[in-house]
Amino acid sequence: QQQVKQSPQSLIVQKGGISIINCAYENTAFDYFPWYQQFPGKGPALLIAIRPDVSEKKEGRFTISFNKSAKQFSLHIMDSQPGDSATYFCAAGTGNQFYFGTGTSLTVIP
Amino acid sequence: SAVISQKPSRDICQRGTSLTIQCQVDSQVTMMFWYRQQPGQSLTLIATANQGSEATYESGFVIDKFPISRPNLTFSTLTVSNMSPEDSSIYLCSVVTGTKSTDTQYFGPGTRLTVL
Repeated sequence: QQQVKQSPQSLIVQKGGISIINCAYENTAFDYFPWYQQFPGKGPALLIAIRPDVSEKKEGRFTISFNKSAKQFSLHIMDSQPGDSATYFCAAGTGNQFYFGTGTSLTVIP
Repeated sequence: SAVISQKPSRDICQRGTSLTIQCQVDSQVTMMFWYRQQPGQSLTLIATANQGSEATYESGFVIDKFPISRPNLTFSTLTVSNMSPEDSSIYLCSVVTGTKSTDTQYFGPGTRLTVL
């Protein structure tokens, strides 16, 4: 059973637009929900993370929205830039065990 | 935070040979993880490595194929043994730092392996 489902698989956004990536999880015991950004040839880098005690977290142009009752969380990239073009992974877990989504390839067109 | 380095960054190997990947962390961590990421795919956990004990392997991964060493709290190695082209992948070392309430997972830059 896939613990974390991520959509869309790929996304094309115009420069300045909003990119939205969604994830859903199964296990209500999960208490940590990070997003990772990965450029080609590099390892995933932690971008932003949220815990279930808040419904939203914002860091610069990146915002996580969290809906505990629906077991869903999403990443919003405001004012998307060509430099944001990368693969984004959501994850969910607790303690030392994390499960990853299948990734979203984001392309921001100048 | 944690800064993780891996060696080699990439390698091209012949079928039937073995490659050992090194992972170094800039701080002491209890648990280190090894992941595989096949081209265009998500991350698959291979095993969890604790210092002073045998690594714990996920379903589909066995010690004879992926032996792991964890000699101290800042270092680990993963060996890919008797390689085949299906082992071509990016191998990632990862650690989790912090107390339970602030656990954060960090990844190394990865080792890109191509098996001919």
